[in-house]
Amino acid sequence: TQLLEQSPQFLSIQEGENLTVYCNSSSVFSSLQWYRQEPGEGPVLLVTVVTGGEVKKLKRLTFQFGDARKDSSLHITAAQPGDTGLYLCAGQGGSNYKLTFGKGTLLTVNP
Amino acid sequence: NAGVTQTPKFQVLKTGQSMTLQCAQDMNHNSMYWYRQDPGMGLRLIYYSASEGTTDKGEVPNGYNVSRLNKREFSLRLESAAPSQTSVYFCASSSNGGQTEAFFGQGTRLTVV
Repeated sequence: TQLLEQSPQFLSIQEGENLTVYCNSSSVFSSLQWYRQEPGEGPVLLVTVVTGGEVKKLKRLTFQFGDARKDSSLHITAAQPGDTGLYLCAGQGGSNYKLTFGKGTLLTVNP
Repeated sequence: NAGVTQTPKFQVLKTGQSMTLQCAQDMNHNSMYWYRQDPGMGLRLIYYSASEGTTDKGEVPNGYNVSRLNKREFSLRLESAAPSQTSVYFCASSSNGGQTEAFFGQGTRLTVV
């Protein structure tokens, strides 16, 4: 079983602060995805990283895939209240296309 | 632009009752998934189907059965509901291959009393 550990589990910050959340595993993934989920909704994809060492930017969000493709990080610059939500990482590995999720980081950005 | 449609959105069952959660996607995806989400537990995979006619167990399959009726539909059945199955259930679909994006339904909030 491929496990993804996310940290921290909860994060409460003030508007304008920077933050980083982590997604770690002992397994190698062919790709790793980050989703954001808002209350009462299903998760929505933010980004997919595929290549070890890859960095992708989405406005104020920066995603990095570890060199060994076992871990990833999400950095948010100058957080806004609209960034509030549950951030989930998901890994896909092997030939069966199974998508495994971490437990998520619940982010609250206070105005 | 329906995407992934789940029914029902809410359901209350008594212990021992059975029910089927329905899921349909209109994106011609090969893979479909059923997850349950509990507080502090993230999304846990119950069953998935990589193609029509195939199903495989995920992390927490006990107490559930699935049926991939055709390429569009993937149903989840609880034969004898238990309070431990109180949860929010999400269906998702994706195309096969690398870098695939999973599209989720809006969820079914199930309470077993």
